[in-house]
Amino acid sequence: EAGVTQFPSHSVIEKGQTVTLRCDPISGHDNLYWYRRVMGKEIKFLLHFVKESKQDESGMPNNRFLAERTGGTYSTLKVQPAELEDSGVYFCASSYGLAGVGEQFFGPGTRLTVL
Amino acid sequence: AQSVAQPEDQVNVAEGNPLTVKCTYSVSGNPYLFWYVQYPNRGLQFLLKYITGDNLVKGSYGFEAEFNKSQTSFHLKKPSALVSDSALYFCAVRDFSGFQKLVFGTGTRLLVSP
Repeated sequence: EAGVTQFPSHSVIEKGQTVTLRCDPISGHDNLYWYRRVMGKEIKFLLHFVKESKQDESGMPNNRFLAERTGGTYSTLKVQPAELEDSGVYFCASSYGLAGVGEQFFGPGTRLTVL
Repeated sequence: AQSVAQPEDQVNVAEGNPLTVKCTYSVSGNPYLFWYVQYPNRGLQFLLKYITGDNLVKGSYGFEAEFNKSQTSFHLKKPSALVSDSALYFCAVRDFSGFQKLVFGTGTRLLVSP
């Protein structure tokens, strides 16, 4: 069974440009999460989808970040326009079941560098 | 608000010796606790979790963790370290509220020397 996949693995962009990150969760997982780790600090929650609906977006830093999960399958996270402080590793995770007791399975991450 | 503390940035241990990576937590209710490991250039891998039941939880690769409610701790342990255990370890918590987000610690780098 394939794990969580993320694309691209690395992205280097200029400040002010737009970047779109993609996450494909494990098949059958209704829950999809985005997290990011900035500058070697703790991994911070961004948002949580249940199927195609945003369950919790309390961690989204500002309105330059837009996440979508059309059809409840893969998800995209767009940063527009990117700022220097957006650099970091963006992780996607998925989990099974709506009770929330299952572990979250993480993808390899997308390393974003904003110059 | 939930929080997790990993007080050690790095833990050094010799191969064959026991290892402990410390984690303390703060939640408003009963916690769900998790340990994840990140190897170089890889994503986070789940090691083990505590939801309820026995305080000693066994996980992958010979790791175990002990839930201590009175000390609000969930330390990760292994009886005999391997060089291949060298990696970055993250403790995480979520509470019983309606939200499922994990709150992570800052991570502890484990270095096992031959």
